[in-house]
Amino acid sequence: NAGVTQTPKFQVLKTGQSMTLQCAQDMNHNSMYWYRQDPGMGLRLIYYSASEGTTDKGEVPNGYNVSRLNKREFSLRLESAAPSQTSVYFCASSEWTGRNTEAFFGQGTRLTVV
Amino acid sequence: AQSVTQLGSHVSVSEGALVLLRCNYSSSVPPYLFWYVQYPNQGLQLLLKYTSAATLVKGINGFEAEFKKSETSFHLTKPSAHMSDAAEYFCAVSELRQLTFGSGTQLTVLP
Repeated sequence: NAGVTQTPKFQVLKTGQSMTLQCAQDMNHNSMYWYRQDPGMGLRLIYYSASEGTTDKGEVPNGYNVSRLNKREFSLRLESAAPSQTSVYFCASSEWTGRNTEAFFGQGTRLTVV
Repeated sequence: AQSVTQLGSHVSVSEGALVLLRCNYSSSVPPYLFWYVQYPNQGLQLLLKYTSAATLVKGINGFEAEFKKSETSFHLTKPSAHMSDAAEYFCAVSELRQLTFGSGTQLTVLP
């Protein structure tokens, strides 16, 4: 049972390069999320998708775009990478039924921008 | 907006000692609270969640947390630490369709 799968696991980019982080879930969840994790700051929400066809900004959306390709897949794109985007990125999914719904996380993508 | 604050970014305990990780919340409505654990180079895994059914919540791996409205707290405890408990722990609160996380507490277990 794969759960939430993120690719790639590691990536090094040069400033100004672009890339797309991929995320897929096999739990038939309706909601998907992208977080970034930085030391001492916990996880901060970048974007989320409440359901297929919808996306909304989270706490730190600047410099990112997302696509909810279908119910399974939710990608995060960096159009012009900056060193401030060096972070660990986590994708998560949930079957939102109310505020007591937990999220399930992928293993993360460690991104370094030089 | 709801938020959680974790007191202590690093906690060290000896193997076999009590583990206490602190979380305080701020919410204008009854909160839904979660504790997650992150082992090195892994994603987050749910330890337990509070959903108002009971104030003492039991989770996996022997952890439990008690919701105290008067103290706006949801502290995580385990009676006896094991080496395998070394990890980072995050408290989170649910709002709208999002989880808002605290800054995390790194737990070190000393032999």
